[in-house]
Amino acid sequence: AQSVSQHNHHVILSEAASLELGCNYSYGGTVNLFWYVQYPGQHLQLLLKYFSGDPLVKGIKGFEAEFIKSKFSFNLRKPSVQWSDTAEYFCAVKNNAGNMLTFGGGTRLMVKP
Amino acid sequence: EPEVTQTPSHQVTQMGQEVILRCVPISNHLYFYWYRQILGQKVEFLVSFYNNEISEKSEIFDDQFSVERPDGSNFTLKIRSTKLEDSAMYFCASSEKTGGTGELFFGEGSRLTVL
Repeated sequence: AQSVSQHNHHVILSEAASLELGCNYSYGGTVNLFWYVQYPGQHLQLLLKYFSGDPLVKGIKGFEAEFIKSKFSFNLRKPSVQWSDTAEYFCAVKNNAGNMLTFGGGTRLMVKP
Repeated sequence: EPEVTQTPSHQVTQMGQEVILRCVPISNHLYFYWYRQILGQKVEFLVSFYNNEISEKSEIFDDQFSVERPDGSNFTLKIRSTKLEDSAMYFCASSEKTGGTGELFFGEGSRLTVL
């Protein structure tokens, strides 16, 4: 069975600080990887995804993530956060055959103005 | 931009009552899902649905749960006899295809509170 770990439960940053949120997964086969964001009171929105190819993936709003297969990791990064990035961030994985997403526990990011 | 819509946004019910949560997936999508998130816990997969039948379900999706696509647009989750532990946010999602590049689009969720 696949599983996802997000090690940072709460992160507090000041505006313009750099962000890196960790995500590790366990699964032996080919995986597809996702980062979703949930702004307060809103639905889950896809930030970026990795299916194959270049392991450095660029998403919306200046976010990027790097798939490191040897480390089973898919960390999310942003060089300079804004107050509007305050949200909860979820890493998710699914195997290549199906559509069942397995989510990590989420990381609450608060950006102080 | 097309989106998945869910109703109600919040429902409060008494233990033992039946609840139906409704979802309207994106119109050209063929695969439908329900996930739930108990407060403070992970988002968990419940069930996936394709071609009018369940394609995958988790251990959580026991006999008290059922899903249905009663018409061409709605996708419903029914909980027959609610328990306190069913209190959660329930997310509906849909996707155009399955497997490798099937991207899920989520609704805003229905918060269920069981008293």
